[in-house]
Amino acid sequence: DTGVSQDPRHKITKRGQNVTFRCDPISEHNRLYWYRQTLGQGPEFLTYFQNEAQLEKSRLLSDRFSAERPKGSFSTLEIQRTEQGDSAMYLCASSWISGFSPLHFGNGTRLTVT
Amino acid sequence: DAKTTQPPSMDCAEGRAANLPCNHSTISGNEYVYWYRQIHSQGPQYIIHGLKNNETNEMASLIITEDRKSSTLILPHATLRDTAVYYCIVRFPGWAYGQNFVFGPGTRLSVLP
Repeated sequence: DTGVSQDPRHKITKRGQNVTFRCDPISEHNRLYWYRQTLGQGPEFLTYFQNEAQLEKSRLLSDRFSAERPKGSFSTLEIQRTEQGDSAMYLCASSWISGFSPLHFGNGTRLTVT
Repeated sequence: DAKTTQPPSMDCAEGRAANLPCNHSTISGNEYVYWYRQIHSQGPQYIIHGLKNNETNEMASLIITEDRKSSTLILPHATLRDTAVYYCIVRFPGWAYGQNFVFGPGTRLSVLP
C-alpha cells in the first residue's frame, strides 16, 4: 500500500500524559498536513510542512502541540499534558508541491484522553 | 476562500445515480472545486476536482455550472459502499495551502438497498 500511513490507529491515554503520533506520507509528496476531527465535524487544519519546513500553523495548535518533519519524510505530532478536550481523530495528509494538487489522507489516529 | 453550502443529508436507492449538490455562489475565477468523501472511521478520500470544465474519473463525475456558482457530484450507480459523508471544498491554490483547505459539515449520503 503506497498511501498515507498513520501510527497508531488508536491511543488511549490519561489526562496529563504526553502522546506522539507518526505519519508516513506518500513518498513522492513534498507537502504534509495535520488535521484534527471531532465527532460530527469536518476535519480542521492544524499545521502544514513543505519538505522539512513548517510553513503554516493554525491558532488551534496550542503551545502544548508540536509537529516535526526532520528529514522531509515522515512527521510526528506530539501533544504534551493532554487534556480531555484533545480527544479527537488526528489526520495526516500529503500532496504534491503543485498548488492545486489534492490532499491524500491517512486513516488517522483516534486519541481518547481519560 | 468561498464558502460552500451542501444539504445535510440525502438518500439514494442502490443502483441509481446519486447527485450531490454544492452551492459556492461567491467562488472566484481561480478557485478550484474539490470533492472528498469520508466513510465511518476512515480518513477523507479524494474523489475529483475541477476548475471550469466538467470532469469524470473512475469514481464520479463533476458537473460545474457555467457561472461556476454551483456544482454537482454524480455517482452513476450508487452502491451500499458509497454511504459516506461527502464534502465539497472550494480552494484557491496560490498560497496558504493548508489554511484554505476548509471542510464544512458535508452531506451524509445514505444508499438504501
